[in-house]
Amino acid sequence: LAKTTQPISMDSYEGQEVNITCSHNNIATNDYITWYQQFPSQGPRFIIQGYKTKVTNEVASLFIPADRKSSTLSLPRVSLSDTAVYYCLVGPSNMLTFGGGTRLMVKP
Amino acid sequence: EAGVTQFPSHSVIEKGQTVTLRCDPISGHDNLYWYRRVMGKEIKFLLHFVKESKQDESGMPNNRFLAERTGGTYSTLKVQPAELEDSGVYFCASSQVNANNEQFFGPGTRLTVL
Repeated sequence: LAKTTQPISMDSYEGQEVNITCSHNNIATNDYITWYQQFPSQGPRFIIQGYKTKVTNEVASLFIPADRKSSTLSLPRVSLSDTAVYYCLVGPSNMLTFGGGTRLMVKP
Repeated sequence: EAGVTQFPSHSVIEKGQTVTLRCDPISGHDNLYWYRRVMGKEIKFLLHFVKESKQDESGMPNNRFLAERTGGTYSTLKVQPAELEDSGVYFCASSQVNANNEQFFGPGTRLTVL
């Protein structure tokens, strides 16, 4: 399974755009890139998934370069409620492998 | 639509006792997963059911853990006998067939073994 590397923590302010980059140099051809969000005392929540180029939904955008060795989760105009841990996962379907995640703190 | 539910939310037991955790997946989801996070560690995969069949149980730590999904609906995870290192949060998730990595997680059961 591809190993992922992402920042341990990030700080931001309300209204700013936040970009969290994840490195996955050993990504395999059939691997998808998936991001989850987790609030304290809750289970992880799916945010977005992509295979290549750009994916956008109502919550975030995911940018994946052509070599797929990294990906960037973009959160537009964050609010205090976006304070959470964000996980980048890379792998085939079904078995999710969580790393340490990025702890995002949004300040007023 | 109801999400994934887990029972109990918390459980405190003594070493050597037995505990059974329950997970009710989202209706219609054939895939059901168990994960856990032990203290200070990352969330780890335990096993995966497709309906009532165990598709992958490579993450089960040892034979003190037994998961079942009779009838392909809810699932139970029994720990017998519990050890101190079993303390942590146990998550259940479910997904539709061919949903790639979009899994819906429950709130987790916090297990404390004293």
